[in-house]
Amino acid sequence: EAQVTQNPRYLITVTGKKLTVTCSQNMNHEYMSWYRQDPGLGLRQIYYSMNVEVTDKGDVPEGYKVSRKEKRNFPLILESPSPNQTSLYFCASSLTPSGEAFFGQGTRLTVV
Amino acid sequence: KNEVEQSPQNLTAQEGEFITINCSYSVGISALHWLQQHPGGGIVSLFMLSSGKKKHGRLIATINIQEKHSSLHITASHPRDSAVYICAVYDGFSGGGADGLTFGKGTHLIIQP
Repeated sequence: EAQVTQNPRYLITVTGKKLTVTCSQNMNHEYMSWYRQDPGLGLRQIYYSMNVEVTDKGDVPEGYKVSRKEKRNFPLILESPSPNQTSLYFCASSLTPSGEAFFGQGTRLTVV
Repeated sequence: KNEVEQSPQNLTAQEGEFITINCSYSVGISALHWLQQHPGGGIVSLFMLSSGKKKHGRLIATINIQEKHSSLHITASHPRDSAVYICAVYDGFSGGGADGLTFGKGTHLIIQP
């Protein structure tokens, strides 16, 4: 089954404690992206990757890091989380940036 | 940067009604997507279109490139159609910043039995 798997689904953490949200896809997609979704703001792109070892900033990259060492995996790293990073996060993959996007189930992150 | 506007923001209707959700954008695009997000968060792709019209079951999506406008229609609406519907566009890489979809803020649809 074609899918994008994100973990964890829910996470509560404290300010400053490093965390990683994992994302894995099984469709051999070149393009992967991370978004955050906030009430009244919609989905906004954090980082994207066109291929292995190729990553770039989206609209709201501050406070986040990513890596793309393998085509299937695209983890999102928060080195020092802050309360303003409390949000719902989605990973997505597609063949191309304009192509049909497959989304993970989302990670609801709360930073206290 | 493309501006994507959806209307209405919220819509409550009775089961069986014909539903229309609108999306307009400011810059020419190469692709437009309609997405569905159910309570609980998961997002699924309904349609991707660059011209004309597509139909899948009770859902129909249309796009008018000249007017920079798309509509999503639901015929014979059902309570299980209750969800947030999101329009997203791709206008190509502008040379700086994000390369990917730009999203509308969504339309929250409730279908009452």
